[in-house]
Parts: sequence; structure tokens; C-alpha cells
Amino acid sequence: AQRVTQPEKLLSVFKGAPVELKCNYSYSGSPELFWYVQYSRQRLQLLLRHISRESIKGFTADLNKGETSFHLKKPFAQEEDSAMYYCALIGNSGYALNFGKGTSLLVTP
Amino acid sequence: EADIYQTPRYLVIGTGKKITLECSQTMGHDKMYWYQQDPGMELHLIHYSYGVNSTEKGDLSSESTVSRIRTEHFPLTLESARPSHTSQYLCASSESRILSEAFFGQGTRLTVV
Repeated sequence: AQRVTQPEKLLSVFKGAPVELKCNYSYSGSPELFWYVQYSRQRLQLLLRHISRESIKGFTADLNKGETSFHLKKPFAQEEDSAMYYCALIGNSGYALNFGKGTSLLVTP
Repeated sequence: EADIYQTPRYLVIGTGKKITLECSQTMGHDKMYWYQQDPGMELHLIHYSYGVNSTEKGDLSSESTVSRIRTEHFPLTLESARPSHTSQYLCASSESRILSEAFFGQGTRLTVV
């Protein structure tokens, strides 16, 4: 069975502080991991994906297979980063995303 | 403009009523999905489709049914709504290739009283 765990429901940081949103997964095969984001009054959208190894809006995420983690990081948080963040996984079947419960990030001035 | 649309955005309905939640996409995507999300909880996949005349049940058992008669249209139906069906329903679509990005609609927030 595949499962995505986001241990923090709410994370509050000050503007300019580093931020790390945690994501752990359980899956027996080789998963592909994603981060989706939902800003206030907007729809859920892709932030970044593991296979692209890209940095989007200053965010990066590294897949650590030993720790089965895919934490999302940003060195200097901005107020506009306040949003709901979902970690998601696609297993070998590749048919659909399996989401975590999400972490609400609040960046205060 | 290519997009994915869900109607209605909000629906309050009485127990026992039949309802259909609409989802349409103009993105030319073959794959479509329905997710259910309770407040503070993860999104659960309840239905998906690889293309026309293809429908599959997702990981979360649901009393709802879906149909895919046209590529762009993927409606979800509840024959007899119950309070336990109160939830947010999100529709999404993606290209056929594995690991392609999923695009989500605005969602329908359903309340059954």
C-alpha cells in the first residue's frame, strides 16, 4: 500500500526565515513525488515534481529514499508563500496521485 | 481558453435527492479523476477514467457513479444523497503519459441536509 504522511497541519514562520514542510511516504516500489499548492481562493496546482529536479518560486525538494522523505524547502519565506501545501505520490501503476493531508503554511511579517 | 470547469461550486440538497456534479475540460486530456476531500483531510481518489467509455473506482469506496461518454465530460452522480456524502469534490484531468501534471477544477462543496 502507498501512503503519504505530512506530520504538520500548520506551520507558521516569519518572513525571511527558512521553511521546511515535511513529507514522508511509504511505498514498496520506486515512487514519483510531487508537491501541489493551493493559494487562498485558487485551485490546487502543481508546484514541483521530483523528476524535474527544479526550483520553483525558490522552493526545492529532494527525494531521500533512505529516509523515504520528500521535504519541501525554501531558504527565505515570503508572505505570498502562505498557502496549503500537499505532498503527493504516484506509484508504479502510474494511474493517479495519492495525496497527504496537507500542511497550511502561514508566513507572517 | 483551455480549462477544467466544475458546476455547481456549492450545493445544499436534501437527503434522498439525486444529484449530478458536472466536470468538463477543454484541455484535450484523456485522463480524468474525481477526488473527495473532507475538511482537514487528504484528497481521496474515488473515480478515474483513461478515456471515453473507461471508468474505474479509486482507492476510497464511494456510492457515487461516473460516466465518460465524451472525452471532455466526466459527471459524478449520487442516486440518493445522504448527510455522509457531505464533502468537497474535486475534478482533475491530465494527459495520458505517466507522471503528467494533473489540472484541478475549482471544486464542488456539497452539503446534504
